Amino acid sequence: EAQVTQNPRYLITVTGKKLTVTCSQNMNHEYMSWYRQDPGLGLRQIYYSMNVEVTDKGDVPEGYKVSRKEKRNFPLILESPSPNQTSLYFCASSFYPPGQGNYGYTFGSGTRLTVV
Amino acid sequence: QQQVKQSPQSLIVQKGGISIINCAYENTAFDYFPWYQQFPGKGPALLIAIRPDVSEKKEGRFTISFNKSAKQFSLHIMDSQPGDSATYFCAASPLSWDSSYKLIFGSGTRLLVRP
Repeated sequence: EAQVTQNPRYLITVTGKKLTVTCSQNMNHEYMSWYRQDPGLGLRQIYYSMNVEVTDKGDVPEGYKVSRKEKRNFPLILESPSPNQTSLYFCASSFYPPGQGNYGYTFGSGTRLTVV
Repeated sequence: QQQVKQSPQSLIVQKGGISIINCAYENTAFDYFPWYQQFPGKGPALLIAIRPDVSEKKEGRFTISFNKSAKQFSLHIMDSQPGDSATYFCAASPLSWDSSYKLIFGSGTRLLVRP
């Protein structure tokens, strides 16, 4: 089944404890992206990647890191999480850039992160 | 700065009615306007999309209306069903081959269709 898999689904952590949220896609997509979803703010892009070793900042990159060492994986790293990073996170992938083609992004099921 | 403004925040419609969600954008470089549907506990999924060379696109009960001069677009759900109850997001993206591979979302509309 073609899908984007995120892990974990739920995570509670303490301020300052480094964590990684994994994302993997099995569709050979080149474009991958991380979004955070907050009430009243919709989905805001954190980072995106156009291919292996090519990444760029989205609209809210502060406090996050990403890497793209393999085409299928795009982990999101929080080096020192803070309570304002409590959110619902989504990884997404697509074969074409977001404005190309007719298939759009395929999203994972989300990771709900709570930082206390 | 919110580049795509979506309204209303929430919407309640009776079964069989028409649901209308509106979005407005600022950036004239936007060239692709999708709508995503999200059910509780799931990620958003592409519902329907339009490019500005047409004023309307229809897929089943879902229609996008696009007004380029007003920089507005809307989603119409005809004959709304309880199964349509979800959160809907409009989005916009520039159609370019430069580094701007962004898809910018509106704030979302929570739709409830009453039986």
